[in-house]
Amino acid sequence: DTAVSQTPKYLVTQMGNDKSIKCEQNLGHDTMYWYKQDSKKFLKIMFSYNNKELIINETVPNRFSPKSPDKAHLNLHINSLELGDSAVYFCASSPRTGARFGGYTFGSGTRLTVV
Amino acid sequence: EDKVVQSPLSLVVHEGDTVTLNCSYEVTNFRSLLWYKQEKKAPTFLFMLTSSGIEKKSGRLSSILDKKELFSILNITATQTGDSAVYLCAGLVWRSNTGKLIFGQGTTLQVKP
Repeated sequence: DTAVSQTPKYLVTQMGNDKSIKCEQNLGHDTMYWYKQDSKKFLKIMFSYNNKELIINETVPNRFSPKSPDKAHLNLHINSLELGDSAVYFCASSPRTGARFGGYTFGSGTRLTVV
Repeated sequence: EDKVVQSPLSLVVHEGDTVTLNCSYEVTNFRSLLWYKQEKKAPTFLFMLTSSGIEKKSGRLSSILDKKELFSILNITATQTGDSAVYLCAGLVWRSNTGKLIFGQGTTLQVKP
């Protein structure tokens, strides 16, 4: 059983398109995150949701809109894709209190390529 | 601004060598320091260190935190080709009643046979 699953694994799309990445966790965790990893392997947090509520929103362009229909799902919608959005996007989850104990689990990532 | 810096950025060694990876941090509301190993896909958790001076060990890997000097090291002894990966260090900070990981840029380790 996959703990944190993301779809799709690969996404190639043209500039200007709108695309979504889905994430689901079956760990019963309260908190979910989106991280972006650039070509230099630098992982940076984008958003954090706790029990469907937006907790952390880093300085991410408005073209990125997360949506959490329930605490097991956190989707990422990107409008008007740009070349600079090309990266690997990782979803992660943690129990709210377990975040204090490093209980983060990452999905396997979605490699987005904008051409 | 929160910052986590790792060194070296890359390292090439031969099997059997011992390596030391460094991580320094400057973050506010610091709670813990975490190490992850990333091969092809998702980062996988190695250690979390919260207290200074207490070494954590898992097989050939060990790590220690110095909260006074704001750094951590990850040691790998008797390296194997399977240790080849990107090693990520992250500071766990507490904001808005939730945790956030601030990652360093990673150290790419290549172990040659």
